Amino acid sequence: DARVTQTPRDKVTEMGQEVTMRCQPILGHNTVFWYRQTMMQGLELLAYFRNRAPLDDSGMPKDRFSAEMPDATLATLKIQPSEPRDSAVYFCASGLDGRPYEQYFGPGTRLTVT
Amino acid sequence: DQQVKQNSPSLSVQEGRISILNCDYTNSMFDYFLWYKKYPAEGPTFLISISSIKDKNEDGRFTVFLNKSAKHLSLHIVPSQPGDSAVYFCAARIFGNEKLTFGTGTRLTIIP
Repeated sequence: DARVTQTPRDKVTEMGQEVTMRCQPILGHNTVFWYRQTMMQGLELLAYFRNRAPLDDSGMPKDRFSAEMPDATLATLKIQPSEPRDSAVYFCASGLDGRPYEQYFGPGTRLTVT
Repeated sequence: DQQVKQNSPSLSVQEGRISILNCDYTNSMFDYFLWYKKYPAEGPTFLISISSIKDKNEDGRFTVFLNKSAKHLSLHIVPSQPGDSAVYFCAARIFGNEKLTFGTGTRLTIIP
């Protein structure tokens, strides 16, 4: 049963601390997306990769957020320093090039910054 | 600037009745529309989609209607079942672009 995995599932941290969220896409998928869910904005796209290359990170606050794919099995999203307004659920999704209706989402990381 | 809007944050429907979820969009470049369903503590899952060359797509109890002139789409669920209680997200894509633009979601509650 192939699925996207995300760790940690929950993270509580203090303002100013670094936060790293990890995602393992479905084996064979070549696109990876990071989304943030908030009540006001719904699901916002933060960044996405195709074949590990970043294609668009325009949705991400550049000064504190960074997204990388060290290899095909791992995507990371870092926030440094974290702020209370970063509190949200962060989803990773993976898919296949050219098939946008088949974005498979992970269970999300719920981040709380106090 | 919210290009995909779901103006009803919540909706309650009696079991067995029809549920109608609405979505409006502003960008005329969108050519493909999707609905995702999300249960608590899980990620969204793809439900149904429609291309802009169609005005209706049906899959079992789920039907999506597209009115391009009004920039409006709707998801009909009939008959509604308790397992349909979830948050539903509308999403849209511009041709040739893998990015999806999502709405804010509508929480559907089916009353037994």
